[in-house]
Amino acid sequence: DQQVKQNSPSLSVQEGRISILNCDYTNSMFDYFLWYKKYPAEGPTFLISISSIKDKNEDGRFTVFLNKSAKHLSLHIVPSQPGDSAVYFCAASEIYSNYKLTFGKGTLLTVNP
Amino acid sequence: DAGVIQSPRHEVTEMGQEVTLRCKPISGHDYLFWYRQTMMRGLELLIYFNNNVPIDDSGMPEDRFSAKMPNASFSTLKIQPSEPRDSAVYFCASRRGQGGQPQHFGDGTRLSIL
Repeated sequence: DQQVKQNSPSLSVQEGRISILNCDYTNSMFDYFLWYKKYPAEGPTFLISISSIKDKNEDGRFTVFLNKSAKHLSLHIVPSQPGDSAVYFCAASEIYSNYKLTFGKGTLLTVNP
Repeated sequence: DAGVIQSPRHEVTEMGQEVTLRCKPISGHDYLFWYRQTMMRGLELLIYFNNNVPIDDSGMPEDRFSAKMPNASFSTLKIQPSEPRDSAVYFCASRRGQGGQPQHFGDGTRLSIL
């Protein structure tokens, strides 16, 4: 059973518009969430994170929102750029498992010029 | 700073052969993780170490898989004997400390077992 789900395998947006990537989780013990970006033939690169004590974290064009009651988080990219085209992975962890990560299967974002 | 370094980047070998994947974590990082990525299962954790000691190997699929970390700057993941279903991309990641610290990944080893 998947504890972290990214239900959209792909997303296509126009340059300059907002990209919204979604992630749902089932384990209520998760208390730290991360987003990674992955280009082909490279390893995942850390993008942004959020602790369960917050509901929003912002870093430049990237904002992550956490809704604990819905067990849902989302990544907003504004404005989207062609260089943002990549696979985005959502990951979740908890203190009681040494913060080992459980990943979603990823969403392929394509930003069209 | 040098990132996580994995070798080889690509490995093609025949079924039944022994395969050894190597990883050098970021200096100063005390956690090391091995992952496997496949289309069907996505990114799954195989095993992780803290201060060179294996902590959780519950993700290791079979006894054919083994991992070691003889020192703070080197780890190996070994498959013996290899099978075609082991074909995947294997990633190594490292992290400094616990808590809100992200893991940093290497670029992976693409393994093909014929």
